[in-house]
Amino acid sequence: GAGVSQSPSNKVTEKGKDVELRCDPISGHTALYWYRQSLGQGLEFLIYFQGNSAPDKSGLPSDRFSAERTGGSVSTLTIQRTQQEDSAVYLCASSLDLTRVDTGELFFGEGSRLTVL
Amino acid sequence: AQSVTQLGSHVSVSEGALVLLRCNYSSSVPPYLFWYVQYPNQGLQLLLKYTSAATLVKGINGFEAEFKKSETSFHLTKPSAHMSDAAEYFCAVSGPGGNKLTFGTGTQLKVEL
Repeated sequence: GAGVSQSPSNKVTEKGKDVELRCDPISGHTALYWYRQSLGQGLEFLIYFQGNSAPDKSGLPSDRFSAERTGGSVSTLTIQRTQQEDSAVYLCASSLDLTRVDTGELFFGEGSRLTVL
Repeated sequence: AQSVTQLGSHVSVSEGALVLLRCNYSSSVPPYLFWYVQYPNQGLQLLLKYTSAATLVKGINGFEAEFKKSETSFHLTKPSAHMSDAAEYFCAVSGPGGNKLTFGTGTQLKVEL
């Protein structure tokens, strides 16, 4: 697609339920990132994919959080047994190759706003 | 670990006044540095980036930033603020190996008449 697409744009769920957030990156972008944006906290790195593998999962807050990427394209972030502190905007970004000077840029989606009641 | 610190979570300027948003970085290797802007209800978009080619970097919408190694700073400036500049601005640094961006906590810019 023309840009990074995320769905749903808004999700309200009850504490204890599982949620899935989807990210469709820009076509051809091999790198995919998930960040979490909370009020006053800036952007918190969650996980990074290169192709279908995740070399860096260091930002996942707990084992309730998991992510996968299939076909080198779409990624799903799953939060199990949601808690109120999981409420945030979850941002996905993709990149051709962040290490290269000429292509090192993240392109962000508009985010999925999660509210846990 | 690499990090950035943005001084001032909220900055308010008058329309036509100078915009100065501060960012200091910490890095054990030569950094790549970025400024992103987030308009209300939108995703982040790149304003400009420093990749060691030139210390003064010009970006979109009249913004520029200067890399100062001696001060470990990468402050964002614009000579004359416009109402449309009201947004949240994030400074970011690339991580070891350059495969991850670490963001600051953001600065909300308000432009007043």
